[in-house]
Amino acid sequence: EAGVAQSPRYKIIEKRQSVAFWCNPISGHATLYWYQQILGQGPKLLIQFQNNGVVDDSQLPKDRFSAERLKGVDSTLKIQPAKLEDSAVYLCASSGGYGFGEKLFFGSGTQLSVL
Amino acid sequence: DQQVKQNSPSLSVQEGRISILNCDYTNSMFDYFLWYKKYPAEGPTFLISISSIKDKNEDGRFTVFLNKSAKHLSLHIVPSQPGDSAVYFCAASAGKIIFGKGTRLHILP
Repeated sequence: EAGVAQSPRYKIIEKRQSVAFWCNPISGHATLYWYQQILGQGPKLLIQFQNNGVVDDSQLPKDRFSAERLKGVDSTLKIQPAKLEDSAVYLCASSGGYGFGEKLFFGSGTQLSVL
Repeated sequence: DQQVKQNSPSLSVQEGRISILNCDYTNSMFDYFLWYKKYPAEGPTFLISISSIKDKNEDGRFTVFLNKSAKHLSLHIVPSQPGDSAVYFCAASAGKIIFGKGTRLHILP
C-alpha cells in the first residue's frame, strides 16, 4: 500500500516570496491534515479536511496561508508571502475516518527554509 | 498554552534495559492518547494508543499506562533496542490531535 506522498522534499526561498506544497494521501482516506513542525517543537495542526470540506483551520494564519483539497483527494498548501518564522517542516497526514483515536499516517514532509 | 507536555527533551538508556517516556496533559476532555515515533528526515509513525477508559495497553515490547487522576501517561519499552533510538511524540485527541514537543531517546550499546 502506497503511503502519503509529499513534494517537494526541500524548498529554500527568500522572505516575501510564495511557495506551495503538494500532498497525495493514502487512497481512500477521507481525512487529510497539514501540520507545521518548527525545530524543537511538536507538530502543530494547521488545517484538517474531511473529504473536500474544512473541519478545522483555527490555527491557520489565513492572511498568508491557504489550503485546498480538490475533489477530496490531493491537497496543496500555499504560503504567500513567506516570513522568516515560516521556516519549518510541513507534514501532511491522512486517516481513514475522523476524530476519536484516529491513527494518522504521515508523509515525509517538506522542509522549508525562508532566508 | 501547552495542553500536552513532554518535560524531558532527551533520555539515554542502556540497550536491554527499560525505557520510560513520560507525558502530562491538562485538558480533561481528551479521550484518546497516542504515541508516535519519528526518525530523522521521516514523518512520524504511529506506535501505540490508549483510550481514556483504559489504564493500560500493551503491544509487544511497548506498553502505555494512563493515570487519568494525575493526567499523566507513560510509554514503557522493554527491552530497549538500538532501533528504538528516535524522537517520541505523545499526542492527545478530543477530535483534534495535539502533539507534545517530543522526547529524543538514545539507546546506548
